[in-house]
Amino acid sequence: ETGVTQTPRHLVMGMTNKKSLKCEQHLGHNAMYWYKQSAKKPLELMFVYSLEERVENNSVPSRFSPECPNSSHLFLHLHTLQPEDSALYLCASSQATPAKNIQYFGAGTRLSVL
Amino acid sequence: GENVEQHPSTLSVQEGDSAVIKCTYSDSASNYFPWYKQELGKRPQLIIDIRSNVGEKKDQRIAVTLNKTAKHFSLHITETQPEDSAVYFCAALWGKLQFGAGTQVVVTP
Repeated sequence: ETGVTQTPRHLVMGMTNKKSLKCEQHLGHNAMYWYKQSAKKPLELMFVYSLEERVENNSVPSRFSPECPNSSHLFLHLHTLQPEDSALYLCASSQATPAKNIQYFGAGTRLSVL
Repeated sequence: GENVEQHPSTLSVQEGDSAVIKCTYSDSASNYFPWYKQELGKRPQLIIDIRSNVGEKKDQRIAVTLNKTAKHFSLHITETQPEDSAVYFCAALWGKLQFGAGTQVVVTP
């Protein structure tokens, strides 16, 4: 275990459902990230929270809505997703200091949109 | 923005041989270059990293080299073992981490 826990591990949802992905870190980090991993494509950075403030939003569709209530927890709220959103969603955490930007990943949530 | 290219996309090596994966980056201000290993169905795990003020770093059978002038860095795995089979990702940091597309390494006994 790397100290970054994601739930659920697997999720199947219809296009009209609303669901949330959860990430929790116990490493004392103050920056958290959501990545999307699709087959044979680079990891895509979706959102970055540093010191609980969203500092990066990489043109992600509004059907993905992040929430960071504190430095240990990160959520990704999902609404009216499309089949092409099926992927592995990875959460990561690190120190916000650029010199200490070693990122530790959670195990991911495998999302299937039907 | 930063762009990281990784080659090859797949690499098959005989057990005991060496494996080399190369990455190039576009932003000369990049200052941190981690490598992640992702086994099938598991999370990416940091295996080695290098900062821009260092040219080479070694950890047992794994080494990383950095050529800042040419803007490329490489992962070297010596004496490969079947447990080295995984997807390896390089990344470069300038403000945010940009990942390469990954290299599927298969080590055959």
